[in-house]
Amino acid sequence: EPEVTQTPSHQVTQMGQEVILRCVPISNHLYFYWYRQILGQKVEFLVSFYNNEISEKSEIFDDQFSVERPDGSNFTLKIRSTKLEDSAMYFCASSELENTGELFFGEGSRLTVL
Amino acid sequence: SQQGEEDPQALSIQEGENATMNCSYKTSINNLQWYRQNSGRGLVHLILIRSNEREKHSGRLRVTLDTSKKSSSLLITASRAADTASYFCATVGRLTGGGNKLTFGTGTQLKVEL
Repeated sequence: EPEVTQTPSHQVTQMGQEVILRCVPISNHLYFYWYRQILGQKVEFLVSFYNNEISEKSEIFDDQFSVERPDGSNFTLKIRSTKLEDSAMYFCASSELENTGELFFGEGSRLTVL
Repeated sequence: SQQGEEDPQALSIQEGENATMNCSYKTSINNLQWYRQNSGRGLVHLILIRSNEREKHSGRLRVTLDTSKKSSSLLITASRAADTASYFCATVGRLTGGGNKLTFGTGTQLKVEL
């Protein structure tokens, strides 16, 4: 069964370092998303991406964050200068062009900022 | 903003019993979904109910939706130890740029004991 895959599963980084989280969405999906979940808190929407551009972003998604689809298969989330409060589980998701709203999520990438 | 709030926050039952989780939200929705998350893992879609539906079944899952009260419930019948997980409701809204945005609730941690 097709699935969304994410790498790395866990990354530990020093505050101020750049981090890139990678995702391979399901191949025929055209909408891509990043969500995050701080430990013990809600899953929060970060950004949606369609047709090679951001279609919507939340207030969390500030200038330190960027997304890219560099090669038609990978979908990346970059955090330029990580802060302690960026420590969270980051989930990538994708959905089909015509759909009722079901998103397919990856297993997540746990980011720990020290 | 659409906010799903689940109750109870935690639920502990014996195997074989039924588990009921409730979700309330604030604004109008296109549909509402329930997701499951095993500890430290990704989100798995369970069931979707459209705004014009009142009840939906899938295996041991039964979801109800009351749009007048802006609430939904998830019933798991004949629970099993393997049902132990966190359960989240998510309201779905269309993004102007296409795709769908999920707004997750706080989740119910279900523990099913042998």
